Amino acid sequence: GAVVSQHPSWVICKSGTSVKIECRSLDFQATTMFWYRQFPKQSLMLMATSNEGSKATYEQGVEKDKFLINHASLTLSTLTVTSAHPEDSSFYICSATAGPGQNYGYTFGSGTRLTVV
Amino acid sequence: SQKIEQNSEALNIQEGKTATLTCNYTNYSPAYLQWYRQDPGRGPVFLLLIRENEKEKRKERLKVTFDTTLKQSLFHITASQPADSATYLCAPAGGYQKVTFGIGTKLQVIP
Repeated sequence: GAVVSQHPSWVICKSGTSVKIECRSLDFQATTMFWYRQFPKQSLMLMATSNEGSKATYEQGVEKDKFLINHASLTLSTLTVTSAHPEDSSFYICSATAGPGQNYGYTFGSGTRLTVV
Repeated sequence: SQKIEQNSEALNIQEGKTATLTCNYTNYSPAYLQWYRQDPGRGPVFLLLIRENEKEKRKERLKVTFDTTLKQSLFHITASQPADSATYLCAPAGGYQKVTFGIGTKLQVIP
């Protein structure tokens, strides 16, 4: 079945630095990828929708200059948290789909636990 | 705005019984609805998808119903096992639309 690989699985960084998270579709081409953030005991909150070769669409309240998304190929999307601060500490998860969700479903990565100290 | 409600934050059930989880949505008409399982510290895992023209879908011990008039989906796990303990998320969506999740129902199956 479809597999999405997300790296790193966890990262600790100093406040003010940037962190890049990668999301790869291993056995299918992902036309669309999604980035979510999840705080403890809360639901997955969609941050942005990433389409290959075009600019990401950000959800209301998500700072596009802080959370840089690049979807340069059909198998790779990256999320860069720039100038990270402790309040950015969270669980970040990507998902991908090869086409319309009703035909392919959505496959999720295993998530990245970001801790900003 | 679109809203998804799942029946309760936590559901405890005895092993062997059928667990029934509810998902209600408002302010949109999804073409399909998905159910996922999420374990602590992990990404969601896809379980089942049911389309708007389907009333019921089954997969092994899982059954999902979809009532577009009531704007509700029910998710059943029969013969529940402790290994079924997890948080279950419903996600109505359509085509390439973004997938929005409810907060989920935490199921605890007691041996």
